[in-house]
Amino acid sequence: DTAVSQTPKYLVTQMGNDKSIKCEQNLGHDTMYWYKQDSKKFLKIMFSYNNKELIINETVPNRFSPKSPDKAHLNLHINSLELGDSAVYFCASSAGPEETQYFGPGTRLLVL
Amino acid sequence: AQSVTQPDIHITVSEGASLELRCNYSYGATPYLFWYVQSPGQGLQLLLKYFSGDTLVQGIKGFEAEFKRSQSSFNLRKPSVHWSDAAEYFCAVGAYNQGGKLIFGQGTELSVKP
Repeated sequence: DTAVSQTPKYLVTQMGNDKSIKCEQNLGHDTMYWYKQDSKKFLKIMFSYNNKELIINETVPNRFSPKSPDKAHLNLHINSLELGDSAVYFCASSAGPEETQYFGPGTRLLVL
Repeated sequence: AQSVTQPDIHITVSEGASLELRCNYSYGATPYLFWYVQSPGQGLQLLLKYFSGDTLVQGIKGFEAEFKRSQSSFNLRKPSVHWSDAAEYFCAVGAYNQGGKLIFGQGTELSVKP
């Protein structure tokens, strides 16, 4: 069983479109995260949710909106996609905010 | 400012040789630290972690790391590298009361010569 899963794995879309990436974890964890990995492989946290509540919101454009329908899911919706949004987006989860984080396989987003 | 530095962007070692990947951090609070490995096109796999206690920690695949508070370092080592170890390695640092925010280093790409 996959611990942290993401869909889709690849996403190719046009500028200006709206898209969503879904994340699910079956580890029973309370905390989930979104990270962005840029073309230079630099990883930066975007958001963190603990028990469905937002606890970290880094300086991310408000075109990005996370949503946590329950503790096992954290989705990322992106409005009005821009070229600079092209990256790999990783979801992660941990038992609590200061516990070991386990990462999903990533979603490779390409904006044309 | 919080930062994590991996000084070596790319390292090449021969198969069977020993390996050390460097990680230095700058953090105002007591840190906890991780090493993750990323194979091409894959996600991040946890190699090992340090929260407290023994400063020499063992991980998967024969890796170990040593936390040296006085040097603000958490270097990753392996006594004998295998060709399958070729990948990107990331050091990550967190601190308590930061909501779980991890700061990642720039990554070190490891190549293994036959």
